[in-house]
Amino acid sequence: NAGVTQTPKFRILKIGQSMTLQCTQDMNHNYMYWYRQDPGMGLKLIYYSVGAGITDKGEVPNGYNVSRSTTEDFPLRLELAAPSQTSVYFCASSPRTGITDTQYFGPGTRLTVL
Amino acid sequence: GENVEQHPSTLSVQEGDSAVIKCTYSDSASNYFPWYKQELGKRPQLIIDIRSNVGEKKDQRIAVTLNKTAKHFSLHITETQPEDSAVYFCAASIHGATNKLIFGTGTLLAVQP
Repeated sequence: NAGVTQTPKFRILKIGQSMTLQCTQDMNHNYMYWYRQDPGMGLKLIYYSVGAGITDKGEVPNGYNVSRSTTEDFPLRLELAAPSQTSVYFCASSPRTGITDTQYFGPGTRLTVL
Repeated sequence: GENVEQHPSTLSVQEGDSAVIKCTYSDSASNYFPWYKQELGKRPQLIIDIRSNVGEKKDQRIAVTLNKTAKHFSLHITETQPEDSAVYFCAASIHGATNKLIFGTGTLLAVQP
């Protein structure tokens, strides 16, 4: 099992550009999440999904969009990048509640918007 | 909105000493409280968790206690070792859903050899 994988590892964007952060998990987990981590801060939930075709907003969804067409993939789309979106982005997944609630994190994507 | 407060933000201990990190939460419906360890440049990893129907849980040198009345929970690390040096995050589930978490701001633990 590769677990949760994310691409790219690093990216520099110019203000106003768009990009998609990719996230894939091979553990057949129902739940997937996107977090951002700002320096010296905890993780903030951007969006989450409880299964293919179902997504919902977290604490900080503005400026982002997601889709979940398959169990494995949960891409995060940034439209019109802004300096405030400079952060490290982590994707995570967990099995259906009732089995275990452990969230397994990907290695992260470090994004800089200049 | 719901929040989780974590203290201290930094903690320095001598190898072999104990370390305690404390968190308070605001959502009375919170029922799941995990702790994650994040080494520099790495991903967060779960080290221990506790549910609201349990007051204490231990796993070797790590223990977590929960006081639901006071809405606070703590991480205890005994016999600290240099490899325990990392940032530790507490989290609490919100709105009664164990898969939706609010994280604390983290504690940087430094274990001096």
